[in-house]
Amino acid sequence: DSGVTQTPKHLITATGQRVTLRCSPRSGDLSVYWYQQSLDQGLQFLIQYYNGEERAKGNILERFSAQQFPDLHSELNLSSLELGDSALYFCASSVATSSGELFFGEGSRLTVL
Amino acid sequence: QKEVEQDPGPLSVPEGAIVSLNCTYSNSAFQYFMWYRQYSRKGPELLMYTYSSGNKEDGRFTAQVDKSSKYISLFIRDSQPSDSATYLCAMRAGNSGNTPLVFGKGTRLSVIA
Repeated sequence: DSGVTQTPKHLITATGQRVTLRCSPRSGDLSVYWYQQSLDQGLQFLIQYYNGEERAKGNILERFSAQQFPDLHSELNLSSLELGDSALYFCASSVATSSGELFFGEGSRLTVL
Repeated sequence: QKEVEQDPGPLSVPEGAIVSLNCTYSNSAFQYFMWYRQYSRKGPELLMYTYSSGNKEDGRFTAQVDKSSKYISLFIRDSQPSDSATYLCAMRAGNSGNTPLVFGKGTRLSVIA
């Protein structure tokens, strides 16, 4: 158990809908990262927050947004969902921004029908 | 050309074999190199972490980095069925929070008893 909690574990929804994925980092970790994993693209970095502020942005679509709250939990919002958004979404946390070790949650599997 | 290339496999070996997993990369700025292991339906977990060129050994696992060739390897000695997983290489350019990890697509390994 990495200590990173993600909910929901599975989510099935329809095209055009909006979903919110939630992540609670390990106790004491200030950085939260979101990754998308699909069979053809592998693990793709979406966005990073550190202590409530956005620190780095990767290949995140404009339809997606995220935030980190004062209690350090984070949410990833996916809107106007398309079939191609079906993937595993992982949250990871680390103590600081410069840590090489990321602790991953078990992921949220999103299926868009 | 993707920044990090990794043969997806699958790779199937008998128990006790030596396994060699490899990644190539194109960004010469990468300095920190990691190997993550991902079991089915789980998040990735850090296996090995090396800085710059050289070797690092941890039990049955050895990580090698050859920056001149932009090539990294993970060797598993005396492979066990419990080593069956997907192995992802990951790397980053700097040690600041604005340089997220870039992952390879992963190599799926099966160790047959």
